[in-house]
Amino acid sequence: SQQGEEDPQALSIQEGENATMNCSYKTSINNLQWYRQNSGRGLVHLILIRSNEREKHSGRLRVTLDTSKKSSSLLITASRAADTASYFCATDAGDSSYKLIFGSGTRLLVRP
Amino acid sequence: GAGVSQTPSNKVTEKGKYVELRCDPISGHTALYWYRQSLGQGPEFLIYFQGTGAADDSGLPNDRFFAVRPEGSVSTLKIQRTERGDSAVYLCASKGASNTDTQYFGPGTRLTVL
Repeated sequence: SQQGEEDPQALSIQEGENATMNCSYKTSINNLQWYRQNSGRGLVHLILIRSNEREKHSGRLRVTLDTSKKSSSLLITASRAADTASYFCATDAGDSSYKLIFGSGTRLLVRP
Repeated sequence: GAGVSQTPSNKVTEKGKYVELRCDPISGHTALYWYRQSLGQGPEFLIYFQGTGAADDSGLPNDRFFAVRPEGSVSTLKIQRTERGDSAVYLCASKGASNTDTQYFGPGTRLTVL
């Protein structure tokens, strides 16, 4: 079963606009990660935020984590057509395996 | 190699046949994971190896699925008596020893059971 739920399921924006995706999860975690996937194949790791961190930046990406609400957001600033992809949040199971539990993803379309 | 590799990239088989999917993790990564992704869904965990042993196989859907990692590096996911519902992309990931290490995914094997 999947722990995370992304919101929205699909997002269409104009190039240059910002894109915000949200993720909620259910159980305690060690880390939360965001991944990107093109064409239903390889997952590319974007950013990892630890449970004791509240915000993290990487280039045009900004991730926040609110463990009290069990939620995270991914902001992509100044979007480009090349950002078109599916984005998934993934939490670990909170145990020593660090197996990832993925949400169902947000499909982002950036129109040129 | 620099990343996780998986072979074959695509596999088409007939219902009832046996298939093997291979994963080569990043060199030195002790942890290896298998996931399955159905169309329009996020990946779902199948099995986790720490070294040679299957530390967590709670995600395997039934006893038709089995995976090995005999030397602690390459892993093979084996599916017996395939069913049409097994059609999916099978993803492999590897991870270093630190608890803040990320999981790096391979390109996946797309399995189609006719």
